[in-house]
Amino acid sequence: QKEVEQDPGPLSVPEGAIVSLNCTYSNSAFQYFMWYRQYSRKGPELLMYTYSSGNKEDGRFTAQVDKSSKYISLFIRDSQPSDSATYLCAMSVDFGNEKLTFGTGTRLTIIP
Amino acid sequence: GAVVSQHPSRVICKSGTSVKIECRSLDFQATTMFWYRQFPKQSLMLMATSNEGSKATYEQGVEKDKFLINHASLTLSTLTVTSAHPEDSSFYICSARDWASFGYTFGSGTRLTVV
Repeated sequence: QKEVEQDPGPLSVPEGAIVSLNCTYSNSAFQYFMWYRQYSRKGPELLMYTYSSGNKEDGRFTAQVDKSSKYISLFIRDSQPSDSATYLCAMSVDFGNEKLTFGTGTRLTIIP
Repeated sequence: GAVVSQHPSRVICKSGTSVKIECRSLDFQATTMFWYRQFPKQSLMLMATSNEGSKATYEQGVEKDKFLINHASLTLSTLTVTSAHPEDSSFYICSARDWASFGYTFGSGTRLTVV
């Protein structure tokens, strides 16, 4: 069993829709949760991070963490074609020079 | 924000030759950098952790003699793929931690093709 599971998609939604991306994990020691966006042939860029359980909102993006269920989500409101990319969840146990464990990434396409 | 510069972005080399990839942290010092490998439609797999002034720490299954890592300064880490073979063709990405902010900043990646 992988430490982090993420549906690879692909996921296609019409412009303006709400997108829900999810990851599950098995290591209960994970405390820091991140979402990265990766455009084709580019390095990942950090979208959002959260610590422990709870919600965090930044513009059109909302990250949720449910540690009791070992489940994290990223919601994108009013999706735009420019949101088309691969979204990777990542987690770590500690805050520091701790390696990240990534999900496989979900490929998202927003249809104009 | 923090920027990590990685180059070359693309390289094609002949089988048996060596290729060096550079990763530089701009406007911040990185005592630790990470090197990842990504195959098409797959996630990032950590290869090694590069520590300034000391030996790199390699993940299980990664050949130390094949993937040489040097982190000679606080802003530069290099990955050298020695005696490259077609199966080494992949997307290599470095990242570094900027302590002024949360999260790891990634380079733009290097597409290596061995022919």
